[in-house]
Amino acid sequence: AQSVAQPEDQVNVAEGNPLTVKCTYSVSGNPYLFWYVQYPNRGLQFLLKYITGDNLVKGSYGFEAEFNKSQTSFHLKKPSALVSDSALYFCAVSPPQAGTALIFGKGTTLSVSS
Amino acid sequence: DTAVSQTPKYLVTQMGNDKSIKCEQNLGHDTMYWYKQDSKKFLKIMFSYNNKELIINETVPNRFSPKSPDKAHLNLHINSLELGDSAVYFCASSQGGQGGNQPQHFGDGTRLSIL
Repeated sequence: AQSVAQPEDQVNVAEGNPLTVKCTYSVSGNPYLFWYVQYPNRGLQFLLKYITGDNLVKGSYGFEAEFNKSQTSFHLKKPSALVSDSALYFCAVSPPQAGTALIFGKGTTLSVSS
Repeated sequence: DTAVSQTPKYLVTQMGNDKSIKCEQNLGHDTMYWYKQDSKKFLKIMFSYNNKELIINETVPNRFSPKSPDKAHLNLHINSLELGDSAVYFCASSQGGQGGNQPQHFGDGTRLSIL
């Protein structure tokens, strides 16, 4: 079965430190990869996506993500965390087959302390 | 301007009632979705419509019936509400349908509580 794994329920970092939120996937073919962020009582907001090309993609709010095909991973990174980055982060994978649903990971709560 | 708007934002009702949630998008997208987010924040696709045609219908009780009167609207009607229906329901839209590389845009959710 196709799946997306976010191995950490929560990631804690101090403000100013780099952060990484991990994501691995098990999907046949060459999927499209996404990161979304959810703030309390809000819907998901798109951060960035990987389609093809450069393995390092840049997105909103200073976030970037690194695609690694051999490890089937798509980790979210930021060089310097802000308290305002504290939120729930979802990795999602779009299988290349038409008519298939976007597959979400279970989410990782990022907590940035001041 | 709100891109994807859902009404109502909160819905509190008794078990056994019938209720509807409305969704509208002003992004000109051709595909709309309904998701259910449970208390553990897990997201599950329920339905997907492309140009008013049902594309994805996951394993959802037939008490849930989506209706898309036009490309900009996707409503969700729920019959005979049960305690397990309590969740946050999100509407989303995108251009190009499932299996595509376009991001989805989400509404802020409808928080459904069954008493």
